[in-house]
Amino acid sequence: QVQLQESGPGLVKPSETLSLTCAVSGYSISSGFHWGWIRQPPGKGLEWIGAIYHNGNTYYNPPLKSRVTISLDTSKNQFSLILSSVTAADTAVYYCARHFRAVADTRVDYWGQGTLVTVSS
Amino acid sequence: QSVLTQPPSVSGAPGQRVTISCTGSSSNIGAGYDVHWYQQLPGTAPKLLIYGNNNRPSGVPDRFSGSKSGTSASLAITGLQAEDEADYYCQSYDNSLSASVFGGGTQLTVL
Repeated sequence: QVQLQESGPGLVKPSETLSLTCAVSGYSISSGFHWGWIRQPPGKGLEWIGAIYHNGNTYYNPPLKSRVTISLDTSKNQFSLILSSVTAADTAVYYCARHFRAVADTRVDYWGQGTLVTVSS
Repeated sequence: QSVLTQPPSVSGAPGQRVTISCTGSSSNIGAGYDVHWYQQLPGTAPKLLIYGNNNRPSGVPDRFSGSKSGTSASLAITGLQAEDEADYYCQSYDNSLSASVFGGGTQLTVL
């Protein structure tokens, strides 16, 4: 059974950098699929952030592209999200996810449980 | 404003049938990209409910079905049960944005 688990600080100051890691078990991320991040502001809908393929190719949502970096650590079977220059609008539950593909068929078949990140001084 | 438009809420009595619409455009659903549906129970992560317009993952009851036509898609739930009360989201791909896109979500209330 594939399992994903997010970890990282729950509180980040405005203008600083948000950093999250997703540990994957039950599947080797170097074997395939795309690995990405989706967020959900409190009481609102889902927003796709981006994804990375096992070969390192990355795909980012254009409104966030200038601030986002997604990377892989195949030795630890995990991947990470970095979001720079955060504001209160970046406060959300962040989900890590396994995507079927990052283009065309972007269904998510496995989700992490989500982690709330609050941006506040 | 979401790229895919869903009604904010729908409701139905136990045993009834409800449908949730998802309206897109020529750069996403109308371009032929598949639509997927997710169910999000309160306080939990979304769960894949329908993929590829009308396919159910293993374990999803056949009370749930999906369809797609033109620039829109629909999720139908028959034999409504109290446990179906949740938020539902559609998802597709948009080639003008080069991004995966979600609908704004629909809250289903079982009366």
